[in-house]
Amino acid sequence: AQSVTQPDIHITVSEGASLELRCNYSYGATPYLFWYVQSPGQGLQLLLKYFSGDTLVQGIKGFEAEFKRSQSSFNLRKPSVHWSDAAEYFCAVGSTGTASKLTFGTGTRLQVTL
Amino acid sequence: NAGVTQTPKFQVLKTGQSMTLQCAQDMNHNSMYWYRQDPGMGLRLIYYSASEGTTDKGEVPNGYNVSRLNKREFSLRLESAAPSQTSVYFCASSEGTLETQYFGPGTRLLVL
Repeated sequence: AQSVTQPDIHITVSEGASLELRCNYSYGATPYLFWYVQSPGQGLQLLLKYFSGDTLVQGIKGFEAEFKRSQSSFNLRKPSVHWSDAAEYFCAVGSTGTASKLTFGTGTRLQVTL
Repeated sequence: NAGVTQTPKFQVLKTGQSMTLQCAQDMNHNSMYWYRQDPGMGLRLIYYSASEGTTDKGEVPNGYNVSRLNKREFSLRLESAAPSQTSVYFCASSEGTLETQYFGPGTRLLVL
């Protein structure tokens, strides 16, 4: 069965600093990988996704993620964090087959200090 | 274009009461989902409908039922609410089950 691990429950960074949020997945074949963001009191919004091709994926709001098959990772990065990036971030993995659906990680809450 | 809408936004129930959470999407998506979100647990899939006319259990289906009323609407019913069902419920839709999911604003449910 597919699974996702986000090892960091809570991260605090200063505005302008770089950011990396970790995501590790467990799945036998090539996974479909997603990063979503949830602002307080809101639903989730897609940041970026990886299905195949270039392993470095660009998303909205200046975010990017890199798929590393050897490490089973899909870490999210941003070179310079803005105060408005404070939110909760979820990694998700999908599988092909008759029961295709996404499995979400437990999330990482990002706090940005000014 | 409203996207995914959910009603109600907030509900308080007493143990044993029943209620139905409504979800509708106007994006002509084939697949729809119900999740619950609890602190430290992320999003857990309750039920999903890969296409109109089909429904399947997710990770935590016990205590819930669903109806895919038509392509636009997917409802979640709690027949006899329990305090353990206190949560935030999200509906989502997507073109296909491995495509981008679009989420509604959520329903906060408190069961006393």
